[in-house]
Amino acid sequence: KAGVTQTPRYLIKTRGQQVTLSCSPISGHRSVSWYQQTPGQGLQFLFEYFSETQRNKGNFPGRFSGRQFSNSRSEMNVSTLELGDSALYLCASSFSRGTGNTIYFGEGSWLTVV
Amino acid sequence: QKEVEQDPGPLSVPEGAIVSLNCTYSNSAFQYFMWYRQYSRKGPELLMYTYSSGNKEDGRFTAQVDKSSKYISLFIRDSQPSDSATYLCAMSGDQAGTALIFGKGTTLSVSS
Repeated sequence: KAGVTQTPRYLIKTRGQQVTLSCSPISGHRSVSWYQQTPGQGLQFLFEYFSETQRNKGNFPGRFSGRQFSNSRSEMNVSTLELGDSALYLCASSFSRGTGNTIYFGEGSWLTVV
Repeated sequence: QKEVEQDPGPLSVPEGAIVSLNCTYSNSAFQYFMWYRQYSRKGPELLMYTYSSGNKEDGRFTAQVDKSSKYISLFIRDSQPSDSATYLCAMSGDQAGTALIFGKGTTLSVSS
């Protein structure tokens, strides 16, 4: 059974640009969440999508957005990139909503903003 | 005060040692407790999952939750060099949504 797949794995962008990251959840999983990981702040929750609707959102500015498609695949977008957006962006999937569900992470997308 | 506190280490032990990793938390609403292992430049891998208080054992790993003290632990028996990684505790409340609150992680090094 394939795990959570994230693309691209590594990318470099310039300040002011925007970036789109993609996530394919485990087959059958309908909930997709995104997290940002940095050395200073650790892992922080960005948002969660279920049935193509954002269900929960962390404390990040509006430059961070996402969406989910009917096949449960998800994308996140960061506009007007800042140096501080350099991080590992992790996608996680679970079968359903609710914290009783086991959550599995992908390998992440490494974003460097220069 | 951060919601979840975890000593970042690094923690260095010889092969075969028993390792104890710990997290404390402040939010009494947390009901679900997890331990993830993360190798360098990889995504977190779920190791243990516990609901409410109590112990859970899986092979060389034992997770303990003490809700009265707001304290959780992960014990690794007979540690191996392959256990060298960063260990992250994570927790969440008993409500819809999958927003996990993570500790900063403890870096473990097991030498052969």
